[in-house]
Amino acid sequence: QLVQSGTEVQKTGSSVKLSCEASGGSVSTYALTWVRQAPGKGLEWMGEIVPIFGVPSYAQKFQGRLVVTADDSTSTGYMELSSLTSEDTAVYYCARKYCGNKNCPLFDTWGQGTLVIVSS
Amino acid sequence: QSELTQPPSASGTPGQRVTISCSGGSSNIGRNNVYWYQQVPGAAPKLLIYASDQRSSGVPDRFSGSKSGTSASLAISGLRSEDEADFYCATWDDSLNGVLFGGGTKLTVL
Repeated sequence: QLVQSGTEVQKTGSSVKLSCEASGGSVSTYALTWVRQAPGKGLEWMGEIVPIFGVPSYAQKFQGRLVVTADDSTSTGYMELSSLTSEDTAVYYCARKYCGNKNCPLFDTWGQGTLVIVSS
Repeated sequence: QSELTQPPSASGTPGQRVTISCSGGSSNIGRNNVYWYQQVPGAAPKLLIYASDQRSSGVPDRFSGSKSGTSASLAISGLRSEDEADFYCATWDDSLNGVLFGGGTKLTVL
């Protein structure tokens, strides 16, 4: 089970850091992925990290303002998005990628989602 | 093209069979497997189909997936009211070096 941190309200231009804790087991050998969904819109892949390796990969759109990390000792993943605009208002999901290959978006376990509201 | 195109909506009556398409290109569906997710309003997505045609654990056999060339389809037979949800296809794109999701299809059971 993946348990995410609570709702965030942030100002335009600021940063937000979300957490995702794997309870009942470790995610260290699988990638922890971040996907977001703007209100009334579809799903958008942001990036991922394999906790035991610690090497992240990012969608081109978020390169430079997204940082994905993981603390294997606490089975917790983090996503920090900077330079926020109103277009970053969305529900942010973490998910476990139950596949060892990079080209395999097999997300079998999802967090409950964290709502991030960005306003001026 | 580095995008996945789905019809915005689909509908059917109980018991009917409906199909949802997902069209991509040579850099994504043409080279990689397709995954399907179901999302009911207010909930996280749920994995339905992986590796183009394999049902995830616990998914009824009314749901089936297929892929041909640069397109994929999700078929739902024996439609039930509880199938009403948004459905998303997903795959890897070799040009973008990232995951692509389709725009989603809202399924209505009439």
